Amino acid sequence: EPEVTQTPSHQVTQMGQEVILRCVPISNHLYFYWYRQILGQKVEFLVSFYNNEISEKSEIFDDQFSVERPDGSNFTLKIRSTKLEDSAMYFCASSLTANQPQHFGDGTRLSIL
Amino acid sequence: QQQVKQSPQSLIVQKGGIPIINCAYENTAFDYFPWYQQFPGKGPALLIAIRPDVSEKKEGRFTISFNKSAKQFSLHIMDSQPGDSATYFCAASISLIQGAQKLVFGQGTRLTINP
Repeated sequence: EPEVTQTPSHQVTQMGQEVILRCVPISNHLYFYWYRQILGQKVEFLVSFYNNEISEKSEIFDDQFSVERPDGSNFTLKIRSTKLEDSAMYFCASSLTANQPQHFGDGTRLSIL
Repeated sequence: QQQVKQSPQSLIVQKGGIPIINCAYENTAFDYFPWYQQFPGKGPALLIAIRPDVSEKKEGRFTISFNKSAKQFSLHIMDSQPGDSATYFCAASISLIQGAQKLVFGQGTRLTINP
């Protein structure tokens, strides 16, 4: 069964450094999402992306965050200047159409030191 | 108003029992209600989902009951097994501009099925 793949599985970064989290959505999917989950808390929506632009972003997704689909297969989340509170598990998801279920990757654990 | 409240936080059931996890919402704009199962170190995996025009949906041992007037929905797991031990998240979906769906998750329920 096709799946969403995320790399790396764990990223450790110094505070203030830039980090790029990578995702390969399911190949024929058109809608892409990033969510995050702080340890022990619920999964929170960050941003949705369709037709090469952001559809919606949450209040968490401030100017330090950006997303990109640099080619036909990758979908990336960049955090420009990381803060301690950015430490979390970041999940990428994709769906075939707007009304189809979202399928999640196994996440990237981001640890900011 | 975009919150989804989930209970209980944790649940321990004997093998063969029927754990029930409940969720409530306020926003009537929600139009899709999935349940996700998450094992440690893994991403949420879609288990079963329901739309508000249906009051119940069953897939294998998993059943969603949906009460539109009360704005509540619940997950029942029949004949629970130790392999069902995981964290379960309810979610509700809102349609965004260009049709994308934004999932709003509940707090999660850590379910343990004892052998």
